[in-house]
Amino acid sequence: DAGVIQSPRHEVTEMGQEVTLRCKPISGHNSLFWYRQTMMRGLELLIYFNNNVPIDDSGMPEDRFSAKMPNASFSTLKIQPSEPRDSAVYFCASTGFDTEAFFGQGTRLTVV
Amino acid sequence: KQEVTQIPAALSVPEGENLVLNCSFTDSAIYNLQWFRQDPGKGLTSLLLIQSSQREQTSGRLNASLDKSSGRSTLYIAASQPGDSATYLCAAPNQAGTALIFGKGTTLSVSS
Repeated sequence: DAGVIQSPRHEVTEMGQEVTLRCKPISGHNSLFWYRQTMMRGLELLIYFNNNVPIDDSGMPEDRFSAKMPNASFSTLKIQPSEPRDSAVYFCASTGFDTEAFFGQGTRLTVV
Repeated sequence: KQEVTQIPAALSVPEGENLVLNCSFTDSAIYNLQWFRQDPGKGLTSLLLIQSSQREQTSGRLNASLDKSSGRSTLYIAASQPGDSATYLCAAPNQAGTALIFGKGTTLSVSS
């Protein structure tokens, strides 16, 4: 398996624009997570899906953030409208039944 | 609420030294603990996963131990090499057991 695949790797956008980050989990994994990493706050959990259903979205910072998982092989994290303080690296991770987490390479988002 | 702390925040050692990275967690009712490595600008690579029934796990020059009663885990790196230079992150499950909570990491620098 190619591991967790995220796209794009880098995104630069202007404040107010919509941003969509994409993730393909490892085939057969039933849980998917979106994390955000900043220097100040480290890695923070944004949302957790199990069997494509959002279970815990308490980490989503504002209504500007939304996430979907329409099927077992694809998830999106959308920010609309984006703001400079959203600049961070966004990671997607997936786990199977043995609960070992595997991370993608991340999307570095810069909002100017 | 699970909190994970890693000490020290940074560590510099000469090549060949054995070293220990520390991780503590507040909620000891965990089912596993995972250590990751992160290179600059890269994603997280899983190093070791220790199940709650295990006391330690080994992979090559790495050995991770888990003491649930004291809320501590250590990552031991033997005969360090410059290629070991990276940030090492410890992660424990949250109270619901649904996602990983991360420490801020220990940035290791091994000089040749």
